[in-house]
Amino acid sequence: DTGVSQDPRHKITKRGQNVTFRCDPISEHNRLYWYRQTLGQGPEFLTYFQNEAQLEKSRLLSDRFSAERPKGSFSTLEIQRTEQGDSAMYLCASSRRGSGNTIYFGEGSWLTVV
Amino acid sequence: AQSVTQLDSQVPVFEEAPVELRCNYSSSVSVYLFWYVQYPNQGLQLLLKYLSGSTLVKGINGFEAEFNKSQTSFHLRKPSVHISDTAEYFCAVSGDNNNDMRFGAGTRLTVKP
Repeated sequence: DTGVSQDPRHKITKRGQNVTFRCDPISEHNRLYWYRQTLGQGPEFLTYFQNEAQLEKSRLLSDRFSAERPKGSFSTLEIQRTEQGDSAMYLCASSRRGSGNTIYFGEGSWLTVV
Repeated sequence: AQSVTQLDSQVPVFEEAPVELRCNYSSSVSVYLFWYVQYPNQGLQLLLKYLSGSTLVKGINGFEAEFNKSQTSFHLRKPSVHISDTAEYFCAVSGDNNNDMRFGAGTRLTVKP
């Protein structure tokens, strides 16, 4: 079991630049989630996919954010025209479909916007 | 909608002492409850979860939690902590769909020698 992997682990970017994060879920997990976590806070839900379909998006996900999961396997989260308030850790997670199934998290991608 | 309140932002304890991390939830529907641990610069690791059945749930690393429906609580306990238990602990609640999982703000457990 290879776990959820995220890339890059750390990214420093200038305000106004675009950044993209990649997530590879646990194989055979058809659900994939993105969360955002800021210092001193718990993870906040951003969006989730079931296979390739994006089924829900949080109001936190502004128009500058877009997530894709084109083939129902890996996913990307792109942030356009980054702002300092986007600085956070972006967590990807995956699970099997079904109530109460464990959500497994990756180690996160830290974004610092300067 | 579900929500979680972790009553203590920081809990300092001495090594080998018992510890309880408190969590209260609110929900209008049946819930599933979880505790996750996060070590510095890492993602979240599941400690234990309550889905149904016995209200006392045992997890990894010697932790356990008790679901109390009347008090809407799911407190995490360990009878004797180690230095290595120093970490951030998150309580989470979800309903029938995992997509609505909500986390508390976390409790920072610091174990001192």
